[in-house]
Amino acid sequence: AQSVTQPDIHITVSEGASLELRCNYSYGATPYLFWYVQSPGQGLQLLLKYFSGDTLVQGIKGFEAEFKRSQSSFNLRKPSVHWSDAAEYFCAVGSIQGAQKLVFGQGTRLTINP
Amino acid sequence: KAGVTQTPRYLIKTRGQQVTLSCSPISGHRSVSWYQQTPGQGLQFLFEYFSETQRNKGNFPGRFSGRQFSNSRSEMNVSTLELGDSALYLCASSRRGGDTEAFFGQGTRLTVV
Repeated sequence: AQSVTQPDIHITVSEGASLELRCNYSYGATPYLFWYVQSPGQGLQLLLKYFSGDTLVQGIKGFEAEFKRSQSSFNLRKPSVHWSDAAEYFCAVGSIQGAQKLVFGQGTRLTINP
Repeated sequence: KAGVTQTPRYLIKTRGQQVTLSCSPISGHRSVSWYQQTPGQGLQFLFEYFSETQRNKGNFPGRFSGRQFSNSRSEMNVSTLELGDSALYLCASSRRGGDTEAFFGQGTRLTVV
């Protein structure tokens, strides 16, 4: 069965500092991987996705993520965070074929210190 | 290009009642999936529809049901509401399913009292 682990429930960083959010997945084949961001009371916004090819993917808002098959990881990074990045971040793994079904991690809440 | 639209945004219902939530996908998207988000359980998959057929279903009781219309719009219904059904219900649409990215709506916040 697919599963996603986000080890950090809450992370606090200072504005301008770099950020790395961890994500580990369990999936029997090459997975489809996603990062979503959610502001309070809102839906999920897709930051970036990995389907195949280059293992370093670029997303919106200056985010990037690297797929490492050997470590079953898909960590999200940003070189310099802005106060507007404060939100909850979800890593998800999707099915390769057929039905659209995402399995989400528990999320990491990001707080930015001014 | 319009995004995924969910209505209503907020609902308050009484235990034992039933509720219907609506989702209009992005134009051209044929797959609609539903998720429940709660503080305790996180984001959980309810079901997915493609071309009016349910292709996959999560581990929820039969009180949770859905359907999809020929224009790809989808509804989900929860009957005999329980307090534990209070949650944010999110709908996502994609072009054809698992190998295409999913875009989410703003969600419907359901409160059962």
